[in-house]
Amino acid sequence: EAGVAQSPRYKIIEKRQSVAFWCNPISGHATLYWYQQILGQGPKLLIQFQNNGVVDDSQLPKDRFSAERLKGVDSTLKIQPAKLEDSAVYLCASSLTADEQYFGPGTRLTVT
Amino acid sequence: QKEVEQDPGPLSVPEGAIVSLNCTYSNSAFQYFMWYRQYSRKGPELLMYTYSSGNKEDGRFTAQVDKSSKYISLFIRDSQPSDSATYLCAVYGNNRLAFGKGNQVVVIP
Repeated sequence: EAGVAQSPRYKIIEKRQSVAFWCNPISGHATLYWYQQILGQGPKLLIQFQNNGVVDDSQLPKDRFSAERLKGVDSTLKIQPAKLEDSAVYLCASSLTADEQYFGPGTRLTVT
Repeated sequence: QKEVEQDPGPLSVPEGAIVSLNCTYSNSAFQYFMWYRQYSRKGPELLMYTYSSGNKEDGRFTAQVDKSSKYISLFIRDSQPSDSATYLCAVYGNNRLAFGKGNQVVVIP
């Protein structure tokens, strides 16, 4: 069974630029999550999708972050404009049941 | 008060030693308890999962939960260099997964 795929793996941008991350979940997993993991911290949930509907986006900084999950499969997370404090690893996860989540390798973002 | 407290201090142990990690959580609504292992530049992977107080063993790994004191632990017996990773505790409840900060463990051959 293929795992959660993410791209790109690494991205370096300057502050105020925009960036987008892509996630392909495990086949058949209806729930998809985006997490932000700052160095030395645990993952923090940004947004949770159930199929293509948003379940929880309470911790998503909506003035600069946006996410979509078209057709209930792939998802993209966008940051525009980026700030220095957005430097982190962005993890995508998917699940059949919400308590067992499977994570992708992450995208490491550096904002200079 | 943070939902999950995990002292993030790194831990170095010699090969073969027992590794002991622990977390506390604040909300009784959390009913499921996990430990994730995260290798460098990889995503977290689910290592242990339990929903009741007591011990759960899986090979060299033992997860321990005490709901009365809101305390969870992970023990690694006969530690190996391949166990070198960051270990994250996590709790699940109210449709949400909350993580601790993680402990970086280094097992020295």
